[in-house]
Amino acid sequence: GQQLNQSPQSMFIQEGEDVSMNCTSSSIFNTWLWYKQEPGEGPVLLIALYKAGELTSNGRLTAQFGITRKDSFLNISASIPSDVGIYFCAGLRYNNNDMRFGAGTRLTVKP
Amino acid sequence: DTGVSQDPRHKITKRGQNVTFRCDPISEHNRLYWYRQTLGQGPEFLTYFQNEAQLEKSRLLSDRFSAERPKGSFSTLEIQRTEQGDSAMYLCASSYGVAGVGETQYFGPGTRLLVL
Repeated sequence: GQQLNQSPQSMFIQEGEDVSMNCTSSSIFNTWLWYKQEPGEGPVLLIALYKAGELTSNGRLTAQFGITRKDSFLNISASIPSDVGIYFCAGLRYNNNDMRFGAGTRLTVKP
Repeated sequence: DTGVSQDPRHKITKRGQNVTFRCDPISEHNRLYWYRQTLGQGPEFLTYFQNEAQLEKSRLLSDRFSAERPKGSFSTLEIQRTEQGDSAMYLCASSYGVAGVGETQYFGPGTRLLVL
């Protein structure tokens, strides 16, 4: 089962607004990843984080790997309609290779 | 396109039938993963291969599920005697992994299975 708590479950925002979502875990992960999934497609990697405290940007997206290694957040600035989709956080440990996913944040952007 | 590919994209079958899905990973990737995703949930890990070796299969859902990667390239996932609860999206991912180093998994488009 999933060990990552992702929030919020869904967001309805106006185009141009900023978005923030986060993921927490009771366990430590060595790698945090953020994916976006659109209906009928597989998840697409947005950002990968490999070090505690790391802050990484990819265009309008910014993500951070928490210092405790038990959490991560993703921010989207100046949202646009094509940001619509489900965003998943995922955590990976070195000693086993099953990546654990959050339940996703469904983002709706109103033009 | 050099991404992960999966075939078929959709499969409808009757309960009790066997189904097989194929995954072709990114060519230089040594690791291949299978996940299952049900509606409203994130992907759930099933099994993974490093080259042709299946290094983790304890998370396969039952003995009706099996996976192979005979030549260390493409992989197949077979579900025998399908049940309605097997209806889900089956995702494949690949990565280039070295022990002890963080890696990034890239997903294919998935195979959506519907068991009637």
